[in-house]
Amino acid sequence: DQQVKQNSPSLSVQEGRISILNCDYTNSMFDYFLWYKKYPAEGPTFLISISSIKDKNEDGRFTVFLNKSAKHLSLHIVPSQPGDSAVYFCAASALSNTDKLIFGTGTRLQVFP
Amino acid sequence: KAGVTQTPRYLIKTRGQQVTLSCSPISGHRSVSWYQQTPGQGLQFLFEYFSETQRNKGNFPGRFSGRQFSNSRSEMNVSTLELGDSALYLCASSLDETGSDSGANVLTFGAGSRLTVL
Repeated sequence: DQQVKQNSPSLSVQEGRISILNCDYTNSMFDYFLWYKKYPAEGPTFLISISSIKDKNEDGRFTVFLNKSAKHLSLHIVPSQPGDSAVYFCAASALSNTDKLIFGTGTRLQVFP
Repeated sequence: KAGVTQTPRYLIKTRGQQVTLSCSPISGHRSVSWYQQTPGQGLQFLFEYFSETQRNKGNFPGRFSGRQFSNSRSEMNVSTLELGDSALYLCASSLDETGSDSGANVLTFGAGSRLTVL
């Protein structure tokens, strides 16, 4: 049973536009959410996180939105750059146990010029 | 500061063999986790070690095991390899400061060990 779902396996966006990556979760015990980015032949790297006490967190071009009632979060990248092309993984955990992350299956983002 | 180091990076085994993968965490990081990445399945949690003790375990068969040493280095072992064990095995370490929203519990991943089972 996939507790964290990324229903779009791929997304293609033009440079300068907004990229929106979506993630849904089913476990109401999750209260800490993260986004990781992965380039080929490298391990995932942390991008941004949000706890359930917030509904938005920003870091430069990256913003994560959390809708607890809908069990949905999204990552916005504005403006998108070609270097953002990578696989993005959504992950969730309980704040009491943030070392056990449940990951989604990933969304491959391609930003074209 | 050195990152998470995993060895070997690539290896090929045959069915029935066993394999041991190694992970050296970032200096000062006390928690080490292991994940399996396969196409279409994302990253699946295997287990997590802290102070030489397994603290969390995922839903993998007993053929998958691990351990952590006193210097926080970790190994994972897969016995009686099956074709389906072909995957990228990722190790991650963290400071393990619970209750923080500062990102202190962010996992830092290594580049992974890509295992191919023939």
